[in-house]
Amino acid sequence: EVQLQQSGPEVGRPGSSVKISCKASGYTFTDYVMNWVKQSPGQGLEWIGWIDPEYGSTDYAEKFKKKATLTADTSSNTAYIQLSSLTSEDTATYFCAREVGLGAQDYWGQGVMVTVSS
Amino acid sequence: DIVLTQSPTTLSVTPGETVSLSCRASHSIGTNLHWYQQKTNESPRLLIKYASQSISGIPSRFSASGSGTDFTLNINNVEFDDVSSYFCQQTQSWPRTFGGGTKLELK
Repeated sequence: EVQLQQSGPEVGRPGSSVKISCKASGYTFTDYVMNWVKQSPGQGLEWIGWIDPEYGSTDYAEKFKKKATLTADTSSNTAYIQLSSLTSEDTATYFCAREVGLGAQDYWGQGVMVTVSS
Repeated sequence: DIVLTQSPTTLSVTPGETVSLSCRASHSIGTNLHWYQQKTNESPRLLIKYASQSISGIPSRFSASGSGTDFTLNINNVEFDDVSSYFCQQTQSWPRTFGGGTKLELK
């Protein structure tokens, strides 16, 4: 069974960084790219970027190029997103989602709530 | 970037009705359009891929059609369990973009 298990909720102070994990199981981690999606409270979905775990290659939406850093550890089948220079605009739920063949995201993590607060 | 415009923003229906949700793309995206359902406080769930392809485990009352710039998600015989937000997403080009969503409510 494919599962994406994300880490727990985070609280970060303005200006700090947080790092969220997404541990994959039930499939070959390097066979699928991993997307990250942001959902601000009560809002829609925003694509942040993706990482190809096999090669470590990444692509980001322009808006998130200075905000997010995507990495992957193939030894632990875990993808990560680091969010830097936190502001209140970063308060949101962050999802990881597996992408099938440059297409739909077929499996999603449960989401991680990040709250930016002093 | 490709902009996806969903309409209506909110849809209030009676159980048993059949409804159609629209997703319009700013540029042609072929059939690289996918639909997701998201219930409150849950992760999105893939409903339909590539404009019209069904997904295993999704009830047959969900169907979709379209290509190019105009896409439709149909829900036949709406049930209480269908109360959710529905999002379309394009994977024709980067960045991937989502529509703003349609919230389905029951009367």
